Amino acid sequence: GQQVMQIPQYQHVQEGEDFTTYCNSSTTLSNIQWYKQRPGGHPVFLIQLVKSGEVKKQKRLTFQFGEAKKNSSLHITATQTTDVGTYFCAGRGSNYQLIWGAGTKLIIKP
Amino acid sequence: ETGVTQTPRHLVMGMTNKKSLKCEQHLGHNAMYWYKQSAKKPLELMFVYNFKEQTENNSVPSRFSPECPNSSHLFLHLHTLQPEDSALYLCASSQEGRLAANTGELFFGEGSRLTVL
Repeated sequence: GQQVMQIPQYQHVQEGEDFTTYCNSSTTLSNIQWYKQRPGGHPVFLIQLVKSGEVKKQKRLTFQFGEAKKNSSLHITATQTTDVGTYFCAGRGSNYQLIWGAGTKLIIKP
Repeated sequence: ETGVTQTPRHLVMGMTNKKSLKCEQHLGHNAMYWYKQSAKKPLELMFVYNFKEQTENNSVPSRFSPECPNSSHLFLHLHTLQPEDSALYLCASSQEGRLAANTGELFFGEGSRLTVL
């Protein structure tokens, strides 16, 4: 079946360093969504990308959708303690249901 | 306040118990979902209700039984669960078109943390 692989599983960074998570799909996606889940919380929608090659920015967060609409990335510049949490991608597959990545946990080193 | 309310927040039950999880959305959405979230696994879609009709069940064991009496309420009835069913159960809602591809963002509740002994 359709799968979305998300890497890395964890990323430890010093505050102020950058963070990136990547998602790769086995098939072409119609769109991709990104969510953030704070520790002990629930997933919260961040953004949706629809067009091939699309790039969107939200302050220090940059989201990209690949030209083939099979991969996507989220990059955070100069991480802050408020960025801590798990970031999930979710792609719309051929049956229009969301296919979720396993998430990347962002950990800020003390 | 997310607009999606789940109760109870925590539930401990034995394998022979019967319990129910409740979800209510105050957003006027027409689609509701049950997801299972286990550690180190992707979110698992269990059930989808679109316009109150179940459209997806993803081969969930029959010990989980959903009920959607109207577009604002969703229940998950639990019966003779197994310890491996212990997880966070998340309810979500979205606004979807009847004929168009589903493209809405999901609004999640805070989840019901289930422990099966």
